[in-house]
Amino acid sequence: QVLLEQSGAEVKKPGASVKVSCKASGYTFTNYDINWVRQAPGQGLEWVGWMNPISGDTAYAQKFQGRVTVSMNTSIRTAYMEMTSLRSDDTAMYYCVRGGVWFGEPLPLDPWGQGTLVTVSS
Amino acid sequence: EIVLTQSPDTLSLSPGERATLSCRASQTISGRYLAWYLQKPGQPPRLLIYGASSRATGIPDRFSVSGSGTDFTLTISRLQPEDFAVYYCQQYGRSPYTFGQGTKLEIK
Repeated sequence: QVLLEQSGAEVKKPGASVKVSCKASGYTFTNYDINWVRQAPGQGLEWVGWMNPISGDTAYAQKFQGRVTVSMNTSIRTAYMEMTSLRSDDTAMYYCVRGGVWFGEPLPLDPWGQGTLVTVSS
Repeated sequence: EIVLTQSPDTLSLSPGERATLSCRASQTISGRYLAWYLQKPGQPPRLLIYGASSRATGIPDRFSVSGSGTDFTLTISRLQPEDFAVYYCQQYGRSPYTFGQGTKLEIK
């Protein structure tokens, strides 16, 4: 069974940083990318970025460039998303989700982690 | 980036009825790399359908998709109580992998 298990909820003050982890199990970790998607309370889904575990390539949505870093430790099958200079509008549920390319075909996002709630408040 | 616009924002129907949800893209989505996700309150989204009408594991055949290029439709043939949720379309062929704003399917 493919599973993505995320770290627990975080409460941060404006200007601080947060690092969310995502531990994968049930599949060959290096065969797939990990994406990060966030969802503000009562709002829709917003793609944040991804990382390929073999090449180390990353890509980020324009609005997060310079403020988000996605990384991985393949030896422990864990991905990380770090966001700096937090603002109140960064309050959201952050999801890690598997994706990538399989035999040249892009893959949809599946499965999703359970989510990590990041609350930014003074 | 490819902008996805879903319609309607809210759809009110009764169990047993047919639901039609639309997703329109600002540019052609190559290879039909469009996916649909379902999200229930308090849960992460779940993959429903991807690519050329491929249903994810465990998704019943009352869910189907049609369309190509820039216009796509998700059809639920006979609504069951568990189908009432929020549905998102997403393109995964070109980074950034954008989502539509969602359609809320509610019980009438």
